[in-house]
Amino acid sequence: GQQLNQSPQSMFIQEGEDVSMNCTSSSIFNTWLWYKQEPGEGPVLLIALYKAGELTSNGRLTAQFGITRKDSFLNISASIPSDVGIYFCAGPGAGSYQLTFGKGTKLSVIP
Amino acid sequence: DAGVTQSPTHLIKTRGQQVTLRCSPKSGHDTVSWYQQALGQGPQFIFQYYEEEERQRGNFPDRFSGHQFPNYSSELNVNALLLGDSALYLCASGQGLTEAFFGQGTRLTVV
Repeated sequence: GQQLNQSPQSMFIQEGEDVSMNCTSSSIFNTWLWYKQEPGEGPVLLIALYKAGELTSNGRLTAQFGITRKDSFLNISASIPSDVGIYFCAGPGAGSYQLTFGKGTKLSVIP
Repeated sequence: DAGVTQSPTHLIKTRGQQVTLRCSPKSGHDTVSWYQQALGQGPQFIFQYYEEEERQRGNFPDRFSGHQFPNYSSELNVNALLLGDSALYLCASGQGLTEAFFGQGTRLTVV
């Protein structure tokens, strides 16, 4: 089946630093979704990308749909303590209704 | 506008028992999907319901079944519970193919 590889698995950063994480796939995705999950909660949709090359922002978050359609990137600028959580990339495979998720990037912010 | 709501939030069951989890989709959404999330993993797709029919199913045994009602709410049933069924069960709703919005989940513990 399809797999999404997220990196890094975890990261510890100082408050105020910028963060970058990425997601790669062995097959083409037509949509990329980025979610954030906090302990005991369900994933919250942050950004949705629909077109190769698309760059979309949501506040301090910016995500890009790779031009090969096999990767996506999420950047967080000027991190703050409430950015702590696990960030997942996800997408539906071609012709599929199911979302495939990566294993997540766990972000810790040191005040 | 209420988002996706799930009940109960926590549940403890004994091996061999049966369990029913419930989900009310976000207003205006007609599609409901169920996911299982083991500790430290990304959500895994169980199945999706649309127009009261199972539209797509992931790699889960027949012990996992579901239902969608005319008001679009949904139930997930798991029979003959195993210890390995302990997980966070997430319901997601959407309209169309992508952009799934998740509930807070039901934490199921099988003892």
